[in-house]
Formats: sequence, C-alpha cells, structure tokens
Amino acid sequence: EPEVTQTPSHQVTQMGQEVILRCVPISNHLYFYWYRQILGQKVEFLVSFYNNEISEKSEIFDDQFSVERPDGSNFTLKIRSTKLEDSAMYFCASSDWREGNPDTQYFGPGTRLTVL
Amino acid sequence: SQQGEEDPQALSIQEGENATMNCSYKTSINNLQWYRQNSGRGLVHLILIRSNEREKHSGRLRVTLDTSKKSSSLLITASRAADTASYFCATAEGYRGSQGNLIFGKGTKLSVKP
Repeated sequence: EPEVTQTPSHQVTQMGQEVILRCVPISNHLYFYWYRQILGQKVEFLVSFYNNEISEKSEIFDDQFSVERPDGSNFTLKIRSTKLEDSAMYFCASSDWREGNPDTQYFGPGTRLTVL
Repeated sequence: SQQGEEDPQALSIQEGENATMNCSYKTSINNLQWYRQNSGRGLVHLILIRSNEREKHSGRLRVTLDTSKKSSSLLITASRAADTASYFCATAEGYRGSQGNLIFGKGTKLSVKP
C-alpha cells in the first residue's frame, strides 16, 4: 500500500540554524500538508499546498517557515532560524481530494525536531 | 475556530471489552476522521465519515455522527492489547474550493490490558 514517507526521522539542531524537513507524498495525490505536534499537545495544522502554491496556512506558519515542491516527488518544510519552541514532531500528509469529494489525509511517520 | 474534543481523556479496559470514545466539535463540518497514534509514532487513518452519513463500519470499528449535536463516537469492539494507543478525531470544514484542513482534538488515550 502506498504511504507517505518522511526524512529524517529525528533532527537535532542548534537554535538559530536552518532545517529542512523532507516528505515524499503518495504519488498520485494532489494536496500536501504539514502539521506539527508539540510533545503532549494536539496536532496542529501548519500549511496546505496545491498546484505549486500555498492554499492555506495557519498563524503558526510565519515568515520563518516556507514550503517547496522542488521536483515531482518531494515536498519540503524549511524553518529558517529555529527557536526552542519549534521543537515538535512534524507530520507531512497528502490527499487525493477533489472538490465536493472529501478524501482521507494520509500521514507520514513524522520527523522529530529537537532544537537545543 | 472549531475544535474537536474527545472524551474520555483516558480509558482503561480489559481485552475483549468494547471501547467507546466520543468527540464533540463546534462548527459545521464537511467530514470527520478518526486517527490512531501509537506512542511517539505517526498518525494512522482509521475511518472517514461524511457530514451526510450517520454511521459507518470498518472491521471492528463503528463510527457514528450526529451533526445536530455536533458529536461523533468511535466504538472498538472486542478490543485487543494491540489497540492500545491514542485516538483522535479530526474535523474538516471543507468550504467550497478547499479541502478543509484538519482540526484535531486532544485525543483519548486507550489502554487495553491483556
């Protein structure tokens, strides 16, 4: 069964450093998402991406964050200058949504980001 | 903003018993999805129920949706130790032209004792 993959599984970085989290969505899916989960808290939406542009973003997704689909398979989340509070599990998701036909969002296993 | 809230926060049962988890939300939705998360791991999709559906089954899972009460329930029948995990409901508004990003609840931590 196709699945969303994410690399790395764990990333440790120093405060102020840039990190890039990588995702390979399911191949025929059109919508891509990033969510995050701070330890012990809810899963929170960050951004959705469709047709090579951001379709929606939350207030968490500020100027320090950016997303890119550099090629036909990868989807990346970049945090420009990490802060301690960016430490969280970051989940990528994808779906094959068509308007009027809600579809499941499939999640990757996550990247645990630790900012020291 | 809408918010899914599950109850109970924690549930401990014996293997073979049924487990029921509830979810409430605040605004109108396009669909509601249930996910499972094993400790420190990714989210596994269990079932999606559309706003015009009232009940859905998948194996040992039964989900109901009551849009008048803005609530949903997830029933796991004949539970197994392997069902031990956190269970989350997630709602999607899905207004026209948008998929509807998922809003997650805090989850119910289910423990099934052998």
